Amino acid sequence: SQTIHQWPATLVQPVGSPLSLECTVEGTSNPNLYWYRQAAGRGLQLLFYSVGIGQISSEVPQNLSASRPQDRQFILSSKKLLLSDSGFYLCAWSRSDRRDSPLHFGNGTRLTVT
Amino acid sequence: QQPVQSPQAVILREGEDAVINCSSSKALYSVHWYRQKHGEAPVFLMILLKGGEQKGHDKISASFNEKKQQSSLYLTASQLSYSGTYFCGTSLLMNTGNQFYFGTGTSLTVIP
Repeated sequence: SQTIHQWPATLVQPVGSPLSLECTVEGTSNPNLYWYRQAAGRGLQLLFYSVGIGQISSEVPQNLSASRPQDRQFILSSKKLLLSDSGFYLCAWSRSDRRDSPLHFGNGTRLTVT
Repeated sequence: QQPVQSPQAVILREGEDAVINCSSSKALYSVHWYRQKHGEAPVFLMILLKGGEQKGHDKISASFNEKKQQSSLYLTASQLSYSGTYFCGTSLLMNTGNQFYFGTGTSLTVIP
């Protein structure tokens, strides 16, 4: 069966510090991968999605970036965090061979920028 | 790209019914519904692909009006476990990729 791992679960970082969040998927090949952000009490904002290694599409221009160095690894990064980067970050995967595949989410990372 | 949900919040007593609506300004390929408990990841409920399609999951069902670019989620005889935030997720007909956009969310609280 497929599983998705996301870490860390919580993170407190000062403004201006770098960020690296990691997500890995097991039990499937060539998944579509997504990063979403959820601000407190808000909806899910699509940040990045990827259909293959090195293929990243950005939905929202900001100081975040994403990379996919391996088929089942997706990394969200920032060189300098802003207060507005605080939120709940969710990684998700879906099957690439079926457009009707649901999204499966990791447990999320709660990021607080101080 | 983000669909709009209504209402933003609803409070029900156990056993009451609720309807949550999801509307898109663009033609849709599919609509998904998810429920998120506080502090947890969203959990998939169901997907609707064809216009007019209705699906059920226990006492939770949904419909998809392709022409109106709308979907509705129906919760009947609500239970305490139904509490959470409900999101619709949409895949646009115009996209050949796999972009997936979520609605603004509807907070549902079921009280005894």
